[in-house]
Amino acid sequence: AQSVTQLDSQVPVFEEAPVELRCNYSSSVSVYLFWYVQYPNQGLQLLLKYLSGSTLVESINGFEAEFNKSQTSFHLRKPSVHISDTAEYFCAVTTSGGYQKVTFGIGTKLQVIP
Amino acid sequence: DAGVTQSPTHLIKTRGQQVTLRCSPISGHKSVSWYQQVLGQGPQFIFQYYEKEERGRGNFPDRFSARQFPNYSSELNVNALLLGDSALYLCASSLDGDRNNSPLHFGNGTRLTVT
Repeated sequence: AQSVTQLDSQVPVFEEAPVELRCNYSSSVSVYLFWYVQYPNQGLQLLLKYLSGSTLVESINGFEAEFNKSQTSFHLRKPSVHISDTAEYFCAVTTSGGYQKVTFGIGTKLQVIP
Repeated sequence: DAGVTQSPTHLIKTRGQQVTLRCSPISGHKSVSWYQQVLGQGPQFIFQYYEKEERGRGNFPDRFSARQFPNYSSELNVNALLLGDSALYLCASSLDGDRNNSPLHFGNGTRLTVT
């Protein structure tokens, strides 16, 4: 079975400052890793994904995440945040076998302060 | 193209009642999954349906059931509602339900309140 730990439930950060949202996973088999973002009263939107290959993956709006197999981590970073980045961010994992079950972390609320 | 659509958006039910939630996947997507998101938590997997067959079931009681229709739309049924069933129910579709690296596309959810 796989699991995801998001170490910070809330992260306040000033506008234009850098941010890192932490995520660690546990699995005995190969994994696929995702970050989803949820805006108030909406469903989840895929932000970026690691499937294989380059360990550094990027989104179209400036976020990036790095897969670190030895540390079982997939931290999300952005060098300069904007007010519009205020949302809840979920790290998620699934494995290469079995059925399509995605396990989510409890989420990190990013609050960007003007 | 339309995204994943769910209906209704909000629902209020009384304990013991039954509820049916509906989901239409993105056109061309054959896999539909259901997740429950309790306030303050991440989504929890309930079911995956692919090509009209149940492929997986999460740790939920038998009061929860689902089905997928020939047009790939899906319904989630919950019987004998409990207060603890109050949550946002999310439907997600994916292009290929046989490939676990196929990303999920979520609807905006149905907010169920049980009183």
